[in-house]
Amino acid sequence: AQSVAQPEDQVNVAEGNPLTVKCTYSVSGNPYLFWYVQYPNRGLQFLLKYITGDNLVKGSYGFEAEFNKSQTSFHLKKPSALVSDSALYFCAVRVFSGGYNKLIFGAGTRLAVHP
Amino acid sequence: DTEVTQTPKHLVMGMTNKKSLKCEQHMGHRAMYWYKQKAKKPPELMFVYSYEKLSINESVPSRFSPECPNSSLLNLHLHALQPEDSALYLCASSRYRERGGDEQYFGPGTRLTVT
Repeated sequence: AQSVAQPEDQVNVAEGNPLTVKCTYSVSGNPYLFWYVQYPNRGLQFLLKYITGDNLVKGSYGFEAEFNKSQTSFHLKKPSALVSDSALYFCAVRVFSGGYNKLIFGAGTRLAVHP
Repeated sequence: DTEVTQTPKHLVMGMTNKKSLKCEQHMGHRAMYWYKQKAKKPPELMFVYSYEKLSINESVPSRFSPECPNSSLLNLHLHALQPEDSALYLCASSRYRERGGDEQYFGPGTRLTVT
């Protein structure tokens, strides 16, 4: 079955420290992978995506993600966390199912950055 | 302009009411989406419109009726809802439905409460 998993419900990080939010996927064929962030009472904001090419993808607000085909992972990273990065993060994968493309989201990881 | 707008922000309705949610984008996107999101859960796809035609219905109950009057507008008509339909309803758009690598842009959502 095609799916995406975020193994951590919550990640706690001190401000200024590096952060990692994990994502693994299971799809047939080449994966199209996305990261979105959701602040309280808001919609989702696109951060970055991997389609093809360089395994290290740079996105908005200083975030980056590394695509690892052998480990089927697409972890989100930032060198130095800010308190304002505290939010809900969703990894998503595009799958082709039932004759059409569809975005499947992971369960989400809540990132808490402490001062 | 990369904004998707949704109105109203909040809606409280009784189970016998009829109401509508509205979504608008002016990015020239030809694919528009409705998602339902329960608290602390990922968004769940409901409907997809491509070139103003309904192309995907994820087996949504008929008490939800989508409409796409033109390429910039998307409505969701609500009738005889149940309390379990209370959720955040998100609208999104992307350039094309068929291109799997296109990211989706989300609106802020409508918080719906069914009493």
